Amino acid sequence: EAQVTQNPRYLITVTGKKLTVTCSQNMNHEYMSWYRQDPGLGLRQIYYSMNVEVTDKGDVPEGYKVSRKEKRNFPLILESPSPNQTSLYFCASSSSGYEQYFGPGTRLTVT
Amino acid sequence: AQSVTQPDIHITVSEGASLELRCNYSYGATPYLFWYVQSPGQGLQLLLKYFSGDTLVQGIKGFEAEFKRSQSSFNLRKPSVHWSDAAEYFCAVGPGFQKLVFGTGTRLLVSP
Repeated sequence: EAQVTQNPRYLITVTGKKLTVTCSQNMNHEYMSWYRQDPGLGLRQIYYSMNVEVTDKGDVPEGYKVSRKEKRNFPLILESPSPNQTSLYFCASSSSGYEQYFGPGTRLTVT
Repeated sequence: AQSVTQPDIHITVSEGASLELRCNYSYGATPYLFWYVQSPGQGLQLLLKYFSGDTLVQGIKGFEAEFKRSQSSFNLRKPSVHWSDAAEYFCAVGPGFQKLVFGTGTRLLVSP
């Protein structure tokens, strides 16, 4: 089954404790992206990747890192999480750059 | 800069009634436009997209949308709403991954 998977689905952590949210797709898509969703703000792009070893900032990249060492994986790294990074995070992938397939989301709470 | 406005935060529609969700965009070139639906606790699913050509596009689940360049709008419609359509709907605009911008969403409530 073609899908985008994210792990973990739920995470509660404390300020400053490094964490990684994994994203994997099995559709051989070149493009991958991370979004955060906050009430009243919709989805905002954090980072995106055009292909392996090619990444760029979206609209809200501060406090996040990404890497794209393999085509199927695009982890999101929070080196020192803060409470304002409490949010719902979505990973997405695409073969065309237009139609995106979204993962199920990761709800992160930073206390 | 590109932007998307969904002026209705919530809409309540009776089951069986017609639906129209509004989307207005600001974009400097010919836009690529999308509507996504998010059911509670789920990720986003693409309903339909417009790239070029016929301005009335058909999507999944009986939805359609009409691109009106003169009004900078891409409103989503459905002739008869079902209770299962209750969800949050997002309009998005952009040239692709690089600058895809989402609206703030419209939550659809369906009353019996």
